[in-house]
Amino acid sequence: DIQMTQSPSSLSASVGDKVTITCRASQSVSNYLNWYHQRPGKAPKLLIYAASSLQSGVPSRFSGSGSGTDFTLTISNLQPEDFATYYCQQSYSTPLTFGQGTRLDIK
Amino acid sequence: QVQLQESGPRLVKPSETLSLTCTVSGGSITNKNYYWAWIRQSPGKGLEWIGSIYFSGTTYYNPSLKSRITISVDTSKNQFSLNVNSVTATDTAIYYCARRFNGRGSQVFDYWGQGTLVTVSS
Repeated sequence: DIQMTQSPSSLSASVGDKVTITCRASQSVSNYLNWYHQRPGKAPKLLIYAASSLQSGVPSRFSGSGSGTDFTLTISNLQPEDFATYYCQQSYSTPLTFGQGTRLDIK
Repeated sequence: QVQLQESGPRLVKPSETLSLTCTVSGGSITNKNYYWAWIRQSPGKGLEWIGSIYFSGTTYYNPSLKSRITISVDTSKNQFSLNVNSVTATDTAIYYCARRFNGRGSQVFDYWGQGTLVTVSS
């Protein structure tokens, strides 16, 4: 199985800040890397697919980059609704696997 | 707007079978562009893909669960289902159903059900 490791596990930021979350795969996943966020008590929501493509309806302050084993999710101008847990997911090979999550809290 | 809704027992006894159904509304489960998936989330293992099914019945399972799971589809009811046999406490989790599409080659879960907590306990 491909292991997905996110860093940091948690971070604190303020409204208006810019933050970056990293996801590293245990082997190359090409650009088959997706990002979700999850608010408490809710299902995950798709943000970015294929490493850098913004899902329809997702604000442009979210962006993704990377290929191979190293990927980043950047959130510019943090809004109150962005404080959530973020997950990466690879689809290069089955089983499809997720990172352990990065919790983004309000400072 | 596609919506997915999980249903089934919330409490299952150890060694018995966990059975859940996902009802899809706002779109056809026979749409050739999509697979349909089960994903679970537990504190100990995070998000775990269980398996996926196509409307034709083609399935893909997580090898770690393959010996105990069955995913099936009922196109007449626009539903798909999950059975997990011989459950233990480690199968306690929030179970989500989701729609999977191919986004520029990447298999992506774009619509999710609200999730249902299933507890395995006697």
